Amino acid sequence: QKEVEQNSGPLSVPEGAIASLNCTYSDRGSQSFFWYRQYSGKSPELIMFIYSNGDKEDGRFTAQLNKASQYVSLLIRDSQPSDSATYLCAVNSGGSNYKLTFGKGTLLTVNP
Amino acid sequence: DTEVTQTPKHLVMGMTNKKSLKCEQHMGHRAMYWYKQKAKKPPELMFVYSYEKLSINESVPSRFSPECPNSSLLNLHLHALQPEDSALYLCASSPGLAGGREQFFGPGTRLTVL
Repeated sequence: QKEVEQNSGPLSVPEGAIASLNCTYSDRGSQSFFWYRQYSGKSPELIMFIYSNGDKEDGRFTAQLNKASQYVSLLIRDSQPSDSATYLCAVNSGGSNYKLTFGKGTLLTVNP
Repeated sequence: DTEVTQTPKHLVMGMTNKKSLKCEQHMGHRAMYWYKQKAKKPPELMFVYSYEKLSINESVPSRFSPECPNSSLLNLHLHALQPEDSALYLCASSPGLAGGREQFFGPGTRLTVL
C-alpha cells in the first residue's frame, strides 16, 4: 500500500516568516512529486512539482526532494495571509502509472 | 493556458434524478480524470481516460457513468445517487499518463444529493 504522510497541522506562522511543510512517502520507486494548494471550498491548485533530487525554486516557493530519505518538502518564504490554505502533497510512481497518491494535507495559517 | 473548466458549479439533485457533469480542457492534454472529494479529505480517483479510452475505473458504483466524447471533453453521468454521494467532483487533465506528469484540476462541481 503506497502511503504519503503529512502533518495535518494546523501550522501557524506569522506574516513574513518561512513556512515549512513536510511530506514522506513509502514507495521508493516514486518518480514525481507535487504540491497542491487548496483553499477552503475550492479545488486543488498545482503550485510546484519536482522530479529530481535537490531544490526547485519558483518565486517564494521552494520544493526540496530527497529520494534517499523518501522526503519532500515545500518552503514558502515571506508568508502572506493569502497563503493560508491546505497544502496537499501528491506522489506518482511514474512510468505508465497514472495514479497520484495524496497525503491528507497540512492546514497552514499565516497570521497578520 | 492551464485551464480546465467544469459545469455546473453547483448541483442539487434528488435520488431519482439523472444529471450530468461536464469538463473541458483546451491544453491538448491526452489524459483526463474524475475525482471525488469529501470535506477535509484528499481527492479520491474515480476514472481515468487516456486518448479518449477508459483506462481505469477505481471500482466506482455503476450509478456513476463516465463518457469521453472527444479529447477535450469529459462527462460524468449521474443516476440514482445516494445522499452519501454528496461531494465536490473534480475533473483534472494531464499531458499523458506516462512519466507521472502533473495534473491540473478544474474548479469542481459541488454536488448535493437529497
